[in-house]
Amino acid sequence: GIQVEQSPPDLILQEGANSTLRCNFSDSVNNLQWFHQNPWGQLINLFYIPSGTKQNGRLSATTVATERYSLLYISSSQTTDSGVYFCAVTGGYQKVTFGTGTKLQVIP
Amino acid sequence: DAGITQSPRHKVTETGTPVTLRCHQTENHRYMYWYRQDPGHGLRLIHYSYGVKDTDKGEVSDGYSVSRSKTEDFLLTLESATSSQTSVYFCASGANTEAFFGQGTRLTVV
Repeated sequence: GIQVEQSPPDLILQEGANSTLRCNFSDSVNNLQWFHQNPWGQLINLFYIPSGTKQNGRLSATTVATERYSLLYISSSQTTDSGVYFCAVTGGYQKVTFGTGTKLQVIP
Repeated sequence: DAGITQSPRHKVTETGTPVTLRCHQTENHRYMYWYRQDPGHGLRLIHYSYGVKDTDKGEVSDGYSVSRSKTEDFLLTLESATSSQTSVYFCASGANTEAFFGQGTRLTVV
């Protein structure tokens, strides 16, 4: 199956700092999504981004499908950004595979 | 938000008993998924469905079975629960684009 690797595994930021999270995948994919899992365990859809660049407020994402990676940018981080960020890719038969996540802690 | 509900939200059961978790979606999505989440492992796919009565195994399917008799419902059954199946279980559904997740079910096998 498709392998999905995320880096870094852990990240601690001072409030107001910027960060870049990376997702590498091992094969061609149909779709790619970024999720945020908040401290209460809820999985929140951030971006559906099989290719190109999208922005939503302080967050933006870029996927370069031909090079098999995606980046999630967080600017001016806030404590509410804390949690785990997952990349998930969709392969054949719409099978969705997750990376192991990046745990982000934003400190005041 | 997509209408995906999981039931129960919490369950404690004894080793060796059967357990069924239910996922219900109101979006008429074709695809549905069951994942488990454990510390250090992220979300791992148990089973998924690409249509009514069409299901396939994921990477951690041993000890689990699924059924999908209607578009809106996807059931996950642990035939004989074991302590290693203590986990948080997430259901998801999607069309050809995004997948959306339920709130999760915390299952404890004692």
